[in-house]
Amino acid sequence: AQTVTQSQPEMSVQEAETVTLSCTYDTSESDYYLFWYKQPPSRQMILVIRQEAYKQQNATENRFSVNFQKAAKSFSLKISDSQLGDAAMYFCAYRIYRDDKIIFGKGTRLHILP
Amino acid sequence: SQTIHQWPATLVQPVGSPLSLECTVEGTSNPNLYWYRQAAGRGLQLLFYSVGIGQISSEVPQNLSASRPQDRQFILSSKKLLLSDSGFYLCAWSVRDRGGQPQHFGDGTRLSIL
Repeated sequence: AQTVTQSQPEMSVQEAETVTLSCTYDTSESDYYLFWYKQPPSRQMILVIRQEAYKQQNATENRFSVNFQKAAKSFSLKISDSQLGDAAMYFCAYRIYRDDKIIFGKGTRLHILP
Repeated sequence: SQTIHQWPATLVQPVGSPLSLECTVEGTSNPNLYWYRQAAGRGLQLLFYSVGIGQISSEVPQNLSASRPQDRQFILSSKKLLLSDSGFYLCAWSVRDRGGQPQHFGDGTRLSIL
């Protein structure tokens, strides 16, 4: 069975610093996609970044970047120059190419310290 | 551009009363549609998903049901609410038949059962 594990229930980072959120997944598939979603206190789910497993290059969106290690089944999210607005719950998610469902991790709550 | 509307935003209902939450998507055709529930401070639980009109897949046996009467309309219902039905309900959509597409979420409904 496919699973997504986020081993850090909570993290804190000083404003303007860099933080990395961890995510590992378990799969026997070769064609899949990985996502990071952000859920701020408003509870709206916002797509942060998407990575195709067949691409070796790590995805980047402004201050957000990933470190995708396919062999290790690891997909961490790095937030650079952390801002107060980055405070949120972050969910790592995985989807097999042919599947209609996305599997979510349990989330990491990120606190930004002013 | 595509938008997803979910209502109501907040709902307070007595135990044993019926429930109807509605979700509609605009700007796309034939989307996959999803209902999730999220307990306070916890991850997402997939309740139902649909790949077409009248096609509903249930992930978790429970007191709820879903229907898709139109292509871009997804309804979550209950005949008699239980206290355990309290939570935050999220509707989502994704592009059908294109592997690896992310899900896009509505703003959610906060349901409190008294």
